[in-house]
Amino acid sequence: EIVLTQSPATLSLSPGERATLSCRASQSVSSYLAWYQQKPGQAPRLLIYDASNRATGIPARFSGSGSGTDFTLTISSLEPEDFAVYYCQQRSNWPPGGFWTFGQGTKVEIK
Amino acid sequence: QVQLVQSGAEVKKPGASVKVSCKASGYTFTNYYMHWVRQAPGQGLEWMGIINPSGGSTSYAQKFQGRVTMTRDTSTSTVYMELSSLRSEDTAVYYCARMPKDYYYMDVWGKGTTVTASS
Repeated sequence: EIVLTQSPATLSLSPGERATLSCRASQSVSSYLAWYQQKPGQAPRLLIYDASNRATGIPARFSGSGSGTDFTLTISSLEPEDFAVYYCQQRSNWPPGGFWTFGQGTKVEIK
Repeated sequence: QVQLVQSGAEVKKPGASVKVSCKASGYTFTNYYMHWVRQAPGQGLEWMGIINPSGGSTSYAQKFQGRVTMTRDTSTSTVYMELSSLRSEDTAVYYCARMPKDYYYMDVWGKGTTVTASS
C-alpha cells in the first residue's frame, strides 16, 4: 500500500500570499497524482490531475508539479475562497482491483 | 449538467445496516466507475470501494471486506452502498464520486450522506 504524507498539516497565510503544499508518496506513483479542495460542509472538488493538469473550471492560480514521490500544489496568490483543506490522492495497483488512498490533508487558514 | 444526488441522512443503531443511494444524471451512467469515500467528523477522506456500473464488478478496501456491498441499477442510473454491522466508528459522511474509466481520479462528487450510528 502506498502512503501519502502531506505537509504541513496547517498553513497560516494572508490573502494575496503564495501557498506551497507538499505531498510525498512512500513509493513512486509516476505522475498519477490528484489534488482536491474541500471547504467546510462541502464535498471535495477536483483541482489537479496527473500532477499538473488543472481540472475544468479551476483558476490558473492553482498549479501542480512533481513526479515520482514528491509533489507540490501551489496557489500563486490566495483569494478569500481558497482557505480550505487540500488533499492529494493516488491509486495503487495492489491489491488486485486497485486501492485508492488520500493524504491526511493540509489546512490553509487565514493568518 | 452532471449530477450525483445522494439519499438523505440516516440514524441507525449499532449492529444495524444502512443503504445509501447515489443517482447519476447528465452523463452516460455506464461509461464511468463510481467510488464510495467516507469522512468521519473532523477527519480525512477514506476510500471504501469502487463499482463498475457497466458490469457490476466491485473492489472493496480490505478494511470493509465482508461488511460493505456496492450494487447498481442501470435502469435508474443509481448506485448503492450498503454497510452492515454498524458501529459508532462508522458515523461519517459518505460520498459517492465518479471516476472516468482508465483513469484514477474522481472528477464529480455527490454532496454526501450523513450516517450516524448511535444507541
